[in-house]
Amino acid sequence: AQSVTQLGSHVSVSEGALVLLRCNYSSSVPPYLFWYVQYPNQGLQLLLKYTSAATLVKGINGFEAEFKKSETSFHLTKPSAHMSDAAEYFCAVSDRGGAQKLVFGQGTRLTINP
Amino acid sequence: GAVVSQHPSRVICKSGTSVKIECRSLDFQATTMFWYRQFPKQSLMLMATSNEGSKATYEQGVEKDKFLINHASLTLSTLTVTSAHPEDSSFYICSASVGEGLYGYTFGSGTRLTVV
Repeated sequence: AQSVTQLGSHVSVSEGALVLLRCNYSSSVPPYLFWYVQYPNQGLQLLLKYTSAATLVKGINGFEAEFKKSETSFHLTKPSAHMSDAAEYFCAVSDRGGAQKLVFGQGTRLTINP
Repeated sequence: GAVVSQHPSRVICKSGTSVKIECRSLDFQATTMFWYRQFPKQSLMLMATSNEGSKATYEQGVEKDKFLINHASLTLSTLTVTSAHPEDSSFYICSASVGEGLYGYTFGSGTRLTVV
């Protein structure tokens, strides 16, 4: 069965610093991988997705993630944090082929310090 | 881009009553929609998968008679919480696959249900 582990339920960085949110997945075959952001009392917004094209995926708001099969990882990074990046981030995985259900990680709350 | 509209955004109801939440795909046809429940400061828990024109598939532990899902058209799926109780208070979010998942999944803005 698919599973996702996000290391660190809470990450705090200074404004302008590097953001690194970790995600490891468990899957018997290469899956689709996603990062979503959630602001309080709102739905989820897609940041980026990996569907087997380039392993380095660029998303919105300056975020990017690299798919590393050997490490079964899909960590999310942003070179310079902005105050508006403060939110909850979810890594998710799905099987390929058709509309498969998403399995979410536990989420990481990102706090930006001024 | 693909947009999913979810209503209402907030609802307060009395114990024992039923509440319907709607999820509409505005600019695309959603053959498959998903319903999630999210407790405070927790991740999303998949409740059920709904396919247009057929019965929903519920995840283990989710009461299908309590959480009624209808997906009668390619643009509308509804979740009805029947005989609601305070423990049903939660944040409910719908999602639709775009391009059979290849292009991602778009989410509604969520419904905060409070049962008093």
